[in-house]
Amino acid sequence: AQTVTQSQPEMSVQEAETVTLSCTYDTSENNYYLFWYKQPPSRQMILVIRQEAYKQQNATENRFSVNFQKAAKSFSLKISDSQLGDTAMYFCAFMRTNTGNQFYFGTGTSLTVIP
Amino acid sequence: EAGVAQSPRYKIIEKRQSVAFWCNPISGHATLYWYQQILGQGPKLLIQFQNNGVVDDSQLPKDRFSAERLKGVDSTLKIQPAKLEDSAVYLCASSLVGWGAFFGQGTRLTVV
Repeated sequence: AQTVTQSQPEMSVQEAETVTLSCTYDTSENNYYLFWYKQPPSRQMILVIRQEAYKQQNATENRFSVNFQKAAKSFSLKISDSQLGDTAMYFCAFMRTNTGNQFYFGTGTSLTVIP
Repeated sequence: EAGVAQSPRYKIIEKRQSVAFWCNPISGHATLYWYQQILGQGPKLLIQFQNNGVVDDSQLPKDRFSAERLKGVDSTLKIQPAKLEDSAVYLCASSLVGWGAFFGQGTRLTVV
C-alpha cells in the first residue's frame, strides 16, 4: 500500500524568508508522480508543483522548488521569498500510474506567513 | 480550458435527508475522483472512476453513499440518508496520467 507522511502539522515563516515543508512516502513502485498542492481558506485545491519519479532533476516553479530524493523516498517543498498569499494548507500527494492514476494524499501542513 | 465544475457550492440538510452533488470534469480527462474532506484533515478518496468504470470505491460507505458517472463524463454523488458526520467538503477532481488531479471548488455540506 502507498502511504504519504507529512510530519509537520503546522509551520510558520516570516514574510520574504524561505521555508521547507517535508514529505515522505512509501511505495514499491518505480514509476510514479509526486505533487504538492496548496489549499487556501477558500478550500480550492491548487496544484503547485509536480515531479516525475524517473527524472532526477528537481522541479521548480517560480518561488517553489522541490528536493526529490528517490532512494530516501523524500519529497520536500521549498518556498522562497514567502508571501502572505502563501498562507494555506499544503498537501503532498503521490500518484501511481500502473493501475489507473490512483492518488494518495498526506495529512497536510498548515503554513502561516507572518508579516 | 474550463476547469472542473461542481454544484451546488453549499448545501444544508437535516439528518436522514438525501442530497446529491454534481461534477463535470475537464474535457478529455478519463479519470474522475470524489473526495470527502473534513475540516482540518486531508482529502479522503471516496470513489475513483476511469471513464465510466469504477477503479476504487473501497472507502465509500456503500450503505448510504452512491456514485455514478454517466457516459464517462459527468458524475453524481448521492448520500441517502445523511448523518451528522457527513458534514464535510466534497471535492471532485479529474486527471490525465501523470499530470496530477485538477480540483473543482467543492461542495460544502452541512448536516443538522
